[in-house]
Amino acid sequence: KNEVEQSPQNLTAQEGEFITINCSYSVGISALHWLQQHPGGGIVSLFMLSSGKKKHGRLIATINIQEKHSSLHITASHPRDSAVYICAVPNAGGTSYGKLTFGQGTILTVHP
Amino acid sequence: SQTIHQWPATLVQPVGSPLSLECTVEGTSNPNLYWYRQAAGRGLQLLFYSVGIGQISSEVPQNLSASRPQDRQFILSSKKLLLSDSGFYLCASRSSYNSPLHFGNGTRLTVT
Repeated sequence: KNEVEQSPQNLTAQEGEFITINCSYSVGISALHWLQQHPGGGIVSLFMLSSGKKKHGRLIATINIQEKHSSLHITASHPRDSAVYICAVPNAGGTSYGKLTFGQGTILTVHP
Repeated sequence: SQTIHQWPATLVQPVGSPLSLECTVEGTSNPNLYWYRQAAGRGLQLLFYSVGIGQISSEVPQNLSASRPQDRQFILSSKKLLLSDSGFYLCASRSSYNSPLHFGNGTRLTVT
């Protein structure tokens, strides 16, 4: 089974600050997912990346396959970025049928 | 892109009553479908996944069952709910093993 660890578990920031959330996993993967869960519970897929870096607006995701580590950055954070950010990786071994192992999530609160 | 319709949004049911949660998918064919549960303050737990019509795999022994009567319809059921079935239930879909995961808005179930 692929083990996923996210840090920090809780993160509080002031509006405008640069945010970094980290994710480490134990078994080599084909792609890693970053998800955002809004306070109402809905989950949105932010990124799926297998190498290098991806950028979407103020969000940047990077991955280092050799080190089994990924980071999610938020530039110029805003209160509307307040959410739970979840990292997910494919299950290890065999035919996983697209199943994912999820991190516990990072609770981000951005104050105005 | 895919759209996942999930209903109802909230549900309060007494212990021992039946359950039926429905999920339908638009924008793709023959997707992999998943039912997840998120207990309060916990991460996502995979309950069932399906790679095709009538094909259901269960991840954990439990009081629930799933069915896929049509390509883009996934149903989560129980004959008799337990208090421990309370939680936030999410349906998800992937076009293939290497595509992003799309989520419905979830159903918050409270068993009283």
